Amino acid sequence: QSVLTQPASVSGSPGQSITISCSGSDSDVGGHNYVSWYQHRPGDAPKLLIHDVTVRPSGVSRRFSGSKSGNTASLTISGLQPEDEADYYCCSYTSVSPFVFGSGTWVSVL
Amino acid sequence: EEQLVESGGGLVKSGESLRLSCAASGFTLSSHSLNWVRQAPGKGLECVSSISRGSEYTYYADSVRGRFTVSRDNAKNALFLEMNTLGAEDTAVYYCARDLGGFSHALDVWGQGTTVTVS
Repeated sequence: QSVLTQPASVSGSPGQSITISCSGSDSDVGGHNYVSWYQHRPGDAPKLLIHDVTVRPSGVSRRFSGSKSGNTASLTISGLQPEDEADYYCCSYTSVSPFVFGSGTWVSVL
Repeated sequence: EEQLVESGGGLVKSGESLRLSCAASGFTLSSHSLNWVRQAPGKGLECVSSISRGSEYTYYADSVRGRFTVSRDNAKNALFLEMNTLGAEDTAVYYCARDLGGFSHALDVWGQGTTVTVS
């Protein structure tokens, strides 16, 4: 059982914006800014979308943005597109593990 | 292009051992901490092991501690995971992943994964 809680699924229509939450604690999400987000399409390798809460790596669409408030981090996908359909995982550094992943959220594009 | 390629997966019986390898190309392996992340069927991602740039520090998830051993050969640009006493719960796709480094903790380069099936 993951220590970071995400909704099992989120859906939206093309062009809409959706937000995925990642709820943790003072020991992980709330304790520092080492929060990252990954997109994982079936059969592919996971892809880094956001690191350090808000930083988007080169080549990642500006439609993806990250934020954090207290012990909850969030990933927002703006202008939802069919190719955004995938699993999304949050991840946090903790004092006992360098990478603890969230439970994962399946995004479906209606 | 910066790339990681895993190998060594396969079908083994419960109690047997397996050694996974991860070959790096397009970047200097010694500049990054490295990790093994797995995904069991129908489950999420789990970081099972990590190793620092010079092998001074290693991490193991509780689920594999005492059975798995991570190592690296920077001269050969390679990462390894020795897996012993395998059980059905170890059935998963195993990915090697590079830590971004610097002042960040994130996995910025991933391999395509190698499948381990324990019967």
